[in-house]
Amino acid sequence: GEDVEQSLFLSVREGDSSVINCTYTDSSSTYLYWYKQEPGAGLQLLTYIFSNMDMKQDQRLTVLLNKKDKHLSLRIADTQTGDSAIYFCAETSNRDDKIIFGKGTRLHILP
Amino acid sequence: DTGVSQDPRHKITKRGQNVTFRCDPISEHNRLYWYRQTLGQGPEFLTYFQNEAQLEKSRLLSDRFSAERPKGSFSTLEIQRTEQGDSAMYLCASSPGSSANIQYFGAGTRLSVL
Repeated sequence: GEDVEQSLFLSVREGDSSVINCTYTDSSSTYLYWYKQEPGAGLQLLTYIFSNMDMKQDQRLTVLLNKKDKHLSLRIADTQTGDSAIYFCAETSNRDDKIIFGKGTRLHILP
Repeated sequence: DTGVSQDPRHKITKRGQNVTFRCDPISEHNRLYWYRQTLGQGPEFLTYFQNEAQLEKSRLLSDRFSAERPKGSFSTLEIQRTEQGDSAMYLCASSPGSSANIQYFGAGTRLSVL
């Protein structure tokens, strides 16, 4: 079945760039997403990329997609304390409408 | 606030009791989804509706779970005879149902079964 893998933890110093990586197995993925979840809260859609794109930039966020290697990354420039959260990589395919999530990467900001 | 709304935010119940959660989607979104998230995991798909029709159900959705969306607007998720393993965050999402079918999530209902 479809699978989404991402590392569980990342520590970054405040002001540095954070790069969160993700791999997926579904070759028919149409959309790939990054969601942010703060403690006790729901999921906030950060950004998404359509599978025929290889890059998307939105303010401090840059998403890179390597479809050949099925690799997705999220770069957060100038990481701030408010970026501390769990970041979920996710995908949907054109077969059905459900989102398949990774287990999330907990981003810890060091002072 | 025009986002996805879920009620209640927290529910504590005793094992064996029935619970019902409500989700109000973003206005004019015709697709509505339920997911379950346990500690340390990503959300897992449970079921989804296109208007009032329930189109897909996950194998995670046992016979004790039932979801409805009677008028194609809000939805309810009921769990009968709750078990401790049902303790989780239950997340609702909605999407326009168009080609750019991006799902937007509510804040979730956290269920604790004692």
